[in-house]
Amino acid sequence: SQKIEQNSEALNIQEGKTATLTCNYTNYSPAYLQWYRQDPGRGPVFLLLIRENEKEKRKERLKVTFDTTLKQSLFHITASQPADSATYLCALEGDYKLSFGAGTTVTVRA
Amino acid sequence: DTAVSQTPKYLVTQMGNDKSIKCEQNLGHDTMYWYKQDSKKFLKIMFSYNNKELIINETVPNRFSPKSPDKAHLNLHINSLELGDSAVYFCASSQDPAGGGSGANVLTFGAGSRLTVL
Repeated sequence: SQKIEQNSEALNIQEGKTATLTCNYTNYSPAYLQWYRQDPGRGPVFLLLIRENEKEKRKERLKVTFDTTLKQSLFHITASQPADSATYLCALEGDYKLSFGAGTTVTVRA
Repeated sequence: DTAVSQTPKYLVTQMGNDKSIKCEQNLGHDTMYWYKQDSKKFLKIMFSYNNKELIINETVPNRFSPKSPDKAHLNLHINSLELGDSAVYFCASSQDPAGGGSGANVLTFGAGSRLTVL
């Protein structure tokens, strides 16, 4: 069966450090992988999309990598700030739906 | 200027009642979805509609009945509510169906409707 696993349920880091989140998948052959951010009491918000032929994508302090051989994506938040505290979800398309991992909750301490 | 709006935001009701959640999007998207997020925060798709046609029903009990009167609206009616229905329900939309082979489709979500069944 298809699975999307985000390895850490929670990640606590010091302000200014880099947070690295992992998303692994099985039984998917994705052409794209997406990352979303969810704040408490709100819906997920799209952050970044990376295609299978792209190794890396950047947006401001965010960086995403995609390794289709390892079936893994890494999501990095560099120079983290308390405002980056949220739950981050990876998502894959397939079978006419977008399926999500369970998310990793990042807390950035000032 | 809310892109995807859901009402109500909170709903508290007794077991056995029937309730509805409404969703509207003003993005001009053709596809709309209902997702359920349980107490463990796992986001699971329930239904998707493309141009008012049902394309995904993810083995949801038939007490849940979605209705799409037009492509800008997707409502969710729940009959005979059970304790296990307590969750946050999210509506979302995209231009084309995610995973439908038309290229990458990013979802825009509403703020969620928190349903509590007592």
